Amino acid sequence: AQTVTQSQPEMSVQEAETVTLSCTYDTSENNYYLFWYKQPPSRQMILVIRQEAYKQQNATENRFSVNFQKAAKSFSLKISDSQLGDTAMYFCAFMSLSNDYKLSFGAGTTVTVRA
Amino acid sequence: DVKVTQSSRYLVKRTGEKVFLECVQDMDHENMFWYRQDPGLGLRLIYFSYDVKMKEKGDIPEGYSVSREKKERFSLILESASTNQTSMYLCASSIAGGQGPGNTIYFGEGSWLTVV
Repeated sequence: AQTVTQSQPEMSVQEAETVTLSCTYDTSENNYYLFWYKQPPSRQMILVIRQEAYKQQNATENRFSVNFQKAAKSFSLKISDSQLGDTAMYFCAFMSLSNDYKLSFGAGTTVTVRA
Repeated sequence: DVKVTQSSRYLVKRTGEKVFLECVQDMDHENMFWYRQDPGLGLRLIYFSYDVKMKEKGDIPEGYSVSREKKERFSLILESASTNQTSMYLCASSIAGGQGPGNTIYFGEGSWLTVV
């Protein structure tokens, strides 16, 4: 399995402020996908954002954006204007295109948004 | 909306028991997956299936088996439960990889298994 590292076990942010979650990965492949998933306390895992490795432009979904640095193998998630509903565990994931499209996940970062 | 349903949210089983975790998806997805989630380890793939009666080992298959007799149903089986299998188990599904690797993977709500 590919190695995906999330070095921040927990982060706390004030409502309306910005928080950035880090993720690094290890691969020798050139084409792959990267994802951020959100798992709220209710436990339903949902997709937040995806990035294709061949695209230089960073993906954006409303208040969520990524900083994809392919050479550095870094894929950070920025949550802008944080809302209480953003409180969740966030997982970074790597999908290999040469290994049956399986996902490898990082250990997760718990984000708490304070009112 | 896609729905992935796991039959049990919380289970308590005894060591040595045979345990079945059931998962059903309602979107005719070809791919189905079983993950295990543990604190500090993220999600780890146990088994996956690309079609009925097909199965492939993931990263941690030891102590587990799976069954996919129907397209919509993917079962995870613990032949003889052990305490180190206490964990959260997540089922997921997606459409066939041949239609694009960026396909969204849909997850169930999880089954929390405690083995005593």
